[in-house]
Amino acid sequence: EVQVVESGGGLLEPGGSLRLSCAGSGFTFTKVWMSWVRQAPGKGLEWVARIKSEADGGTTDYTAPVKGRFTISRDDSKNTLYLQMNSLKIEDTAVYYCVIDDAKYWGQGTLVTVSS
Amino acid sequence: DVVMTQSPLSLPATLGQPASISCRSSQSLVSRDGNTYLTWFQQRPGQSPRRLIYQVSKRDSGVPDRFSGSGSGTDFTLKISRVEAEDVGVYYCMQHAHWPRTFGQGTKVEIK
Repeated sequence: EVQVVESGGGLLEPGGSLRLSCAGSGFTFTKVWMSWVRQAPGKGLEWVARIKSEADGGTTDYTAPVKGRFTISRDDSKNTLYLQMNSLKIEDTAVYYCVIDDAKYWGQGTLVTVSS
Repeated sequence: DVVMTQSPLSLPATLGQPASISCRSSQSLVSRDGNTYLTWFQQRPGQSPRRLIYQVSKRDSGVPDRFSGSGSGTDFTLKISRVEAEDVGVYYCMQHAHWPRTFGQGTKVEIK
């Protein structure tokens, strides 16, 4: 069974940092592109970042609001995806979903709350 | 960025009756490989999004055949042939022909 499980969310103040993790199982992690998608409370969906497989170059892409502050990475030896979030803003408050890049499989999400 | 515009944003539906959601993109979603990358998701209350339809009209396994997708270029539609109570939720279209991937605002389906 394909599964992705996020962890690492929490409550922090503006300007803080946090690292999210996503553990994948039931599929060949090394072969897939992985992404993070977020959803602010009561709002719609926003694609945050994407990382290609190493075979496809391992390159990364970000949506403009997070570029320069967030870093997506992967450790294929651990079947784990990461999202390092720095200089957090109140508007980064959201549930962050780990998504296998064809978007068929989503995790349950982890809540990040940025508040003073 | 490609802007995805859904309508209506709220859809009071009648059990057993058809319902339809429109999604329009600000640019063509036909990719260089010839495929059209338009996806539909369902998000039930308190749940993660679930992919229903990909590449305009391909239904995912386990998705009831009352859901269908159609369209081309910049104009797309999700149809529910007979609405059931379990269809309540928010439906999103998404394009992934261009980066960044972008979603529509969402259409909230409720039962009248």
